Amino acid sequence: DARVTQTPRHKVTEMGQEVTMRCQPILGHNTVFWYRQTMMQGLELLAYFRNRAPLDDSGMPKDRFSAEMPDATLATLKIQPSEPRDSAVYFCASSGAADTQYFGPGTRLTVL
Amino acid sequence: AQSVTQLDSQVPVFEEAPVELRCNYSSSVSVYLFWYVQYPNQGLQLLLKYLSGSTLVKGINGFEAEFNKSQTSFHLRKPSVHISDTAEYFCAVSDLRAGNNRKLIWGLGTSLAVNP
Repeated sequence: DARVTQTPRHKVTEMGQEVTMRCQPILGHNTVFWYRQTMMQGLELLAYFRNRAPLDDSGMPKDRFSAEMPDATLATLKIQPSEPRDSAVYFCASSGAADTQYFGPGTRLTVL
Repeated sequence: AQSVTQLDSQVPVFEEAPVELRCNYSSSVSVYLFWYVQYPNQGLQLLLKYLSGSTLVKGINGFEAEFNKSQTSFHLRKPSVHISDTAEYFCAVSDLRAGNNRKLIWGLGTSLAVNP
């Protein structure tokens, strides 16, 4: 049963620290999405990649967020420096055919 | 630009009652349509999807949805809900006119609360 995996599942850090979240997409999927979910803003698309190339990162705060795909099996989302307003659940999703997205379990980030 | 409206932010319902969660989108030209479910503290899970063919789509857990091109709607239904159906439900649309860079456009979600 192929699944998207995300690590860590939970992260508590202090303001100003660097946070790195990792995602392993389903093998063979060529598109990877990063989302952020909060009670206030709901589900927001931060960035997405196709065949490891960034297609759109307009949803990301450019000064502190960065997203990369070092290889086809790993996507990373970094926040540096982190701020309390970054506290949220961050989801990775991957997609193959017909635009169907499969979500990971999420990383719950708390910035104190 | 394509947009998705989920008409009800919260839907309370009693167990074993029928339920309909409404979803409208802005343009019916060449779309794929999706419903996802999110249980508490979990990721989003695909419930069902419409790509082409029959306008009535059946999904997991007894849910179904009907694509109505003239109404630009894709409402989700279940004839008899269970307590375990309590979750957040998201409607999403992929606009095929956007080409290879397309992405899913999401509704804001409907919180379904099933009461005993």
